[in-house]
Amino acid sequence: QVQLVESGGGLVKPGGSLRLSCAASGFTFSDHYMTWIRQTPGKGLEWVSYISRSSTTIYYADSVRGRFTISRDNAKNSLYLQMNSLRVDDTAVYFCARRGHYGGYDLFDLWGQGTLVTVSS
Amino acid sequence: DIVMTQSPDSLAVSLGERATINCKSSQSVSYNSNNKNYLAWYQQKPGQPPKLLIYWASIRESGVPDRFSGSGSGTNFTLTINSLQAEDVAVYYCQQYYSSPGFTFGPGTKVDI
Repeated sequence: QVQLVESGGGLVKPGGSLRLSCAASGFTFSDHYMTWIRQTPGKGLEWVSYISRSSTTIYYADSVRGRFTISRDNAKNSLYLQMNSLRVDDTAVYFCARRGHYGGYDLFDLWGQGTLVTVSS
Repeated sequence: DIVMTQSPDSLAVSLGERATINCKSSQSVSYNSNNKNYLAWYQQKPGQPPKLLIYWASIRESGVPDRFSGSGSGTNFTLTINSLQAEDVAVYYCQQYYSSPGFTFGPGTKVDI
C-alpha cells in the first residue's frame, strides 16, 4: 500500500525539541524528493523544508532555518524533522509529502495524514 | 515570496450546480518561454490531507473526475467544479510552484452544499 505515516508529534514547551518521523511504504522512497509542510488555521499551508533524493540538496523556509533539520534514511524508507528551539507559532499539523515525478517541479502527489505539534507552556 | 489569494472564502452550491473558485498571485506564475502556468489546485476533505487535483493550471491529475477543470494564466486562475457532487465538499487550495524553493499556497476556499 502506497502511503506515508507520520509520528512524533505532541505537546512541548516553548524552547523545547521534538523529532518527527515519516515512514514511507509501497513505493521507491529513494526516487523522490520529500518535504515537510505544516498547516495551521491562521497561516494555512506553509512549506517547512525539503530534501533531495540523496540528501545533497536541502532547503528550509526562513521561519524555521537554523532551528529545524530535515534528514532521510533511504535504507529505512524514512524522513525526519528535528525541531529545536520550538516557538508557540510552530504549533501546527505537520505533513510529510512526496514530490511527484512532474519534471522536477514542486507538486506533491502523496501526503501523510499529519501529526499535530503543540507548543505551549 | 509570491502571495496567493483566493475568492470567495467560502461558497455554498446546490447539488448538480457549478462552483467557481478564483486564485490570484502577487506576481505572474507563468513563463513565456515555455508557455506554462506554474499553478496547481488541491482538494482537502475534512480530516484528510490535501490531494493534488490539477497542475499546470489545467491538467487533471490521474483519476480526477472531469467535472473538475482549471483555467487561467499570468496572475489569475480559476477552478471550476461542474455538476457538484456531495463528495466534492472540501476546502480547495491553489499553489504556485513558479518559485522554487518557496512554493506557496492560497488560504483556501471552502465549498459546501
